[in-house]
Amino acid sequence: DAGVIQSPRHEVTEMGQEVTLRCKPISGHDYLFWYRQTMMRGLELLIYFNNNVPIDDSGMPEDRFSAKMPNASFSTLKIQPSEPRDSAVYFCASSWALGTQYFGPGTRLLVL
Amino acid sequence: DAKTTQPNSMESNEEEPVHLPCNHSTISGTDYIHWYRQLPSQGPEYVIHGLTSNVNNRMASLAIAEDRKSSTLILHRATLRDAAVYYCILRDGMGNTPLVFGKGTRLSVIA
Repeated sequence: DAGVIQSPRHEVTEMGQEVTLRCKPISGHDYLFWYRQTMMRGLELLIYFNNNVPIDDSGMPEDRFSAKMPNASFSTLKIQPSEPRDSAVYFCASSWALGTQYFGPGTRLLVL
Repeated sequence: DAKTTQPNSMESNEEEPVHLPCNHSTISGTDYIHWYRQLPSQGPEYVIHGLTSNVNNRMASLAIAEDRKSSTLILHRATLRDAAVYYCILRDGMGNTPLVFGKGTRLSVIA
């Protein structure tokens, strides 16, 4: 298996623009997680899905953030409109039955 | 999930053993102790986990105190590639909770 795949790996955008981050989990995994990492706040859980259904989105910072999982092999995290404080590395992870979590390589987002 | 306490940073010489401590005095009976590490510019990766007994795998060993209020991750021979942030995480084995990461310990390995 190729592991968790994230795209793009790097994104530079201007404040106010819409940003969409993509994730393909490991085939067969039923849980998908979105994390954000910054120097100040460390690694924060934003939202997670089980069988494509959002279970807990309490970590989503505000309404500008939304996440979807239309099928078992694809998820998106969207920020609209983006702000400079959204600059961070965003990780997607997946697992089977809340076992070992496998992380993708991350998307490094810079909002100017 | 119960809280863990780890030193902010540690340093080790290459090819020497490393003992990374973790305190979790409020651990409950159903909490598993998980260790993940994050290499530079990569996502976290699983290292090892345990409940009560000591555990060994190809990457490391996990020594769990008898009262379970602390644990130690042991890297038997540190290499430069082991330089990373190591996270000790408690997760309820009975619940439906994902991993919640703390600050971890930044391990530096000196050649």
